[in-house]
Amino acid sequence: ILNVEQSPQSLHVQEGDSTNFTCSFPSSNFYALHWYRWETAKSPEALFVMTLNGDEKKKGRISATLNTKEGYSYLYIKGSQPEDSATYLCAFSGGYNKLIFGAGTRLAVHP
Amino acid sequence: EAQVTQNPRYLITVTGKKLTVTCSQNMNHEYMSWYRQDPGLGLRQIYYSMNVEVTDKGDVPEGYKVSRKEKRNFPLILESPSPNQTSLYFCASSPRGGDHEKLFFGSGTQLSVL
Repeated sequence: ILNVEQSPQSLHVQEGDSTNFTCSFPSSNFYALHWYRWETAKSPEALFVMTLNGDEKKKGRISATLNTKEGYSYLYIKGSQPEDSATYLCAFSGGYNKLIFGAGTRLAVHP
Repeated sequence: EAQVTQNPRYLITVTGKKLTVTCSQNMNHEYMSWYRQDPGLGLRQIYYSMNVEVTDKGDVPEGYKVSRKEKRNFPLILESPSPNQTSLYFCASSPRGGDHEKLFFGSGTQLSVL
C-alpha cells in the first residue's frame, strides 16, 4: 500500500516567521509530486508539480524542493502572512494517472 | 472563467434516499475524477474518467456510481446512501489526466447522511 505522510499535522506561527513542512512518499516508481493549497471553504489550488530529482520551484514567498531518491519534498514559506493560513496538501504519482494524497499540514499564521 | 462547478455545496439526506452530486467543467478537459475527504485522511479517489464513456474505479468506489455521457459533466450518484458516506466530496479535472498535470478542483460538496 502506497503511503504519503505529511508533517507536522498542524502548525501555528506568528506573522513574519518563516516555516517549512515535509511530505514523505515512496522512493520507487516516481512520476510526479504535487503541492496544493486549500483554504477553508474554497477549492484546493495547485502550487507546484515537480518531476525531477533536485527540482526547486518558487511562487512568490513559497518554494518547494524535491528529493526523489530519499522520498521527500519540503515546502517553505518565507515571511508568513495571515493570508497564508490554509491546509497544504501534497500528492504523489507513481504512474497510472493516479495521485495519492497526504492528509495535509494545517498552517495558521497569527497577526 | 475557467472552473469546475459542483452542486450542491451542502446536502443533508437520509439513509437510502438516492442522490446525485453534479460536476461540470468548462475547460474541455478529458480527465475528471471524484474524491472524498475525511478528517485525518488524505483525499481518496472514488472514480475517474479518462474521456467520454470511459470510467474506472478508484480506491473507494463501493456505494458510488458515475457516468460520463458528455465531456463537461461527471455526476456522482449514490443509489442508497449510508451514514459512512458522510464526507466532503471534491470533483477535479485536468487536460488529459497525465501524472504531471495539475488538477483543477471544484468547491466541494459537504454531504451528511442521517
